Amino acid sequence: DAGVTQSPTHLIKTRGQQVTLRCSPKSGHDTVSWYQQALGQGPQFIFQYYEEEERQRGNFPDRFSGHQFPNYSSELNVNALLLGDSALYLCASSLWFGTWENGWYFGEGSWLTVV
Amino acid sequence: DQQVKQNSPSLSVQEGRISILNCDYTNSMFDYFLWYKKYPAEGPTFLISISSIKDKNEDGRFTVFLNKSAKHLSLHIVPSQPGDSAVYFCAASKDAGGTSYGKLTFGQGTILTVHP
Repeated sequence: DAGVTQSPTHLIKTRGQQVTLRCSPKSGHDTVSWYQQALGQGPQFIFQYYEEEERQRGNFPDRFSGHQFPNYSSELNVNALLLGDSALYLCASSLWFGTWENGWYFGEGSWLTVV
Repeated sequence: DQQVKQNSPSLSVQEGRISILNCDYTNSMFDYFLWYKKYPAEGPTFLISISSIKDKNEDGRFTVFLNKSAKHLSLHIVPSQPGDSAVYFCAASKDAGGTSYGKLTFGQGTILTVHP
C-alpha cells in the first residue's frame, strides 16, 4: 500500500523563477492538501483539492496555485519565487467523506531553496 | 494569528521517565486535536488524537488530555524511550462537514530528546 509520495525531494531555484511540486496521494484517498513548513515553524495550510477543484485556501498569495488530476494526484505551483518561499512543502492526503479519525497522511516533503 | 501554540521549543527527558508536551489553542471552534511526530527528512506521522467531547484518550504509552475550559491539551509519553526523540506537533481541526477535514492548524512544534 503506497503512502503519499512527493517529488522532487530537493530543489534549488533562483528568485523570480517558477516551481512545480508534485504529489501522489495514498492509495484510496481522493483529497490532497498542501502545507508550507518554514524552518523552526509548524506546517501552514496552503490549500486543499477535491474533485479537481480548490476547496479551501489558507492565507497565501495568488502566486501559489495548484491543480488536481483525475487520478487524484496534485501539483503545487509557485510563481515569481521569493527568498521567503524557501521551505519544506508537505502534501497530505485524506478521504473527503472520511471521518476525522481516518486522519491525514503526509508525504516526506519537497525541500525548496530559493537563492 | 497563532491559533495553536506550543510554548516549549524543546524538552529533554531521561529514558524511562515521563515526557509531557503541552499545547494551547485560542479558537474555541476547534473540535478535534491531533498529535504528530516528525523525524528529520520525513513527513509528520500521526500519533494520537482526541475529540472535543472527550477529555482523555490513551494508546499504549501515549495519552492525550484535553482541558476545554483552559483551551489546553497535553501529550504524555510513559515510559519515554530514546526512539521517541523527534519533533512533536500539536494540530487542530474544526468540524464543518467534509470541507473542513482537510485543514489542520499546527503549533510550532516541540523538540523532544530522550536520553539513554
